Amino acid sequence: DGGITQSPKYLFRKEGQNVTLSCEQNLNHDAMYWYRQDPGQGLRLIYYSQIVNDFQKGDIAEGYSVSREKKESFPLTVTSAQKNPTAFYLCASKNLGAAGNTIYFGEGSWLTVV
Amino acid sequence: GQQVMQIPQYQHVQEGEDFTTYCNSSTTLSNIQWYKQRPGGHPVFLIQLVKSGEVKKQKRLTFQFGEAKKNSSLHITATQTTDVGTYFCAGPGTSGSRLTFGEGTQLTVNP
Repeated sequence: DGGITQSPKYLFRKEGQNVTLSCEQNLNHDAMYWYRQDPGQGLRLIYYSQIVNDFQKGDIAEGYSVSREKKESFPLTVTSAQKNPTAFYLCASKNLGAAGNTIYFGEGSWLTVV
Repeated sequence: GQQVMQIPQYQHVQEGEDFTTYCNSSTTLSNIQWYKQRPGGHPVFLIQLVKSGEVKKQKRLTFQFGEAKKNSSLHITATQTTDVGTYFCAGPGTSGSRLTFGEGTQLTVNP
């Protein structure tokens, strides 16, 4: 959806390398999220952040790290500790001003380990 | 923790047939949202339901929220090939800022 930019769209990584996925939003949303999606599967939450300089682990945080130094940016690093990193990664954001506000997703990044 | 379950996981229909996907939560929800993800794309918001027993329609799509606010359904009348994709329901977690997604129902429509 408009306002959330993920890059790169496709990324290949060698085993043992760290890789960072970028996510930028210009929606002035408070909260940002990273989800992982495996083929034919649902969305699993990796990390989320409700405010600058703070973030919380989701359901599958092991092998991943994030930072939130700016409100509009929430990069995700897939470390070499992540044993099966090949997946589709989705960044999302949400305004916390009203309960139940919509989550907006970026177009996603495909990561393949070669 | 909260769980959101969806059935069926897959549904194949002939164009023109109806389709329904069901969503059940282990806890009472303050609201439920539905998203659609086209093949190769990203999830896109469809609708939010808030009130007990609420029914909302978007053209051929009908969304319902159960009286107990623990279940929901999405019904598509007379499916078209443009309806192909995966439909997800999502409910707010114990921390209101996060959403818990169901595993989705993947719909294929044969022309």
